[in-house]
Amino acid sequence: EVQLLESGGGLVRPGGSLRLSCAASGFTFSSYVMSWVRQAPGKGLEWVSGISDSGGSTYDADSVKGRFTISRDNAKNTLYLQMNSLRAEDTAVYYCAKDRHAWDTARRFDKWGQGTLVTVSS
Amino acid sequence: NFMLTQPHSVSESLGKTVTISCTRSSGSIASSYVQWYQQRPGSCPTTVIYDDNQRPSGVPDRFSGSIDSSSNSAFLTISGLQTEDEADYYCQSYDFISQSYDSSMGVFGGGTKLTVL
Repeated sequence: EVQLLESGGGLVRPGGSLRLSCAASGFTFSSYVMSWVRQAPGKGLEWVSGISDSGGSTYDADSVKGRFTISRDNAKNTLYLQMNSLRAEDTAVYYCAKDRHAWDTARRFDKWGQGTLVTVSS
Repeated sequence: NFMLTQPHSVSESLGKTVTISCTRSSGSIASSYVQWYQQRPGSCPTTVIYDDNQRPSGVPDRFSGSIDSSSNSAFLTISGLQTEDEADYYCQSYDFISQSYDSSMGVFGGGTKLTVL
C-alpha cells in the first residue's frame, strides 16, 4: 500500500525557517517525480514545488522561488522541503503528492499524504 | 501560464445530477489532461477522475469527466447525488515548464464546494 507521511510542520516566526519531510513507502520512490502542494486555511490547493525522480531537476512556483528548496533522498525514500524567509502568507497545510505514473513529465497526482500544518506568525 | 476557473459553489438535491465546470484561460483544454480531486473537510484530496475521463478503481461510476473544446472547459458530472458526495472538488492540469516538454508544474482550479440538499 502506498503511504506518504509528512512531518516537520509547526509554528514559526516571520523570516524564520522550517524543513518538512515526507516519508514514502509502498512504491519505488526513486522512479517517481514528487511534488509539494499547499492549502492555506479555507483556501484552495496550490502546487508549490516538484522534483525529478533522480533529484537532478527541481521546479518551483513563483510564489516560493528563491525561498523554498525541494530535495529528496532516494536511499531513505524521503522527500524534503526547506522553507526559508517564511511569510504569513506561507501559512498552510503542506501535502506531499506522488505522480500517477513513473518517470512522467505530466503532473497527475494519485496519492497524497495527510499533510502537515505550517503556521507563520509572530 | 494558464489558469483554471471553477464556480465557487454548486448545490443540487439528493438523487439528482450536478455538473461542475473548469475553464482554461489560455491554450487548449485538450493539450494537457485534466484531473478532478474530491476533498472532504479535514482530509487530503483523493482522485475521482484522471486523464479527462478515467475513473480510478473504487470510484463509483456515478462520477464522470469530459472536456469540451468549444468552451475550452472540463466538466465533472456526478449523477444520483448522495450525501457523501458533499465536498470540495478541484480540477487540476499541468503546464510544461520548457519547450522540451520534459517536465511540468501543477495548475489547480480554485475549487467548487458541492452542497447536497
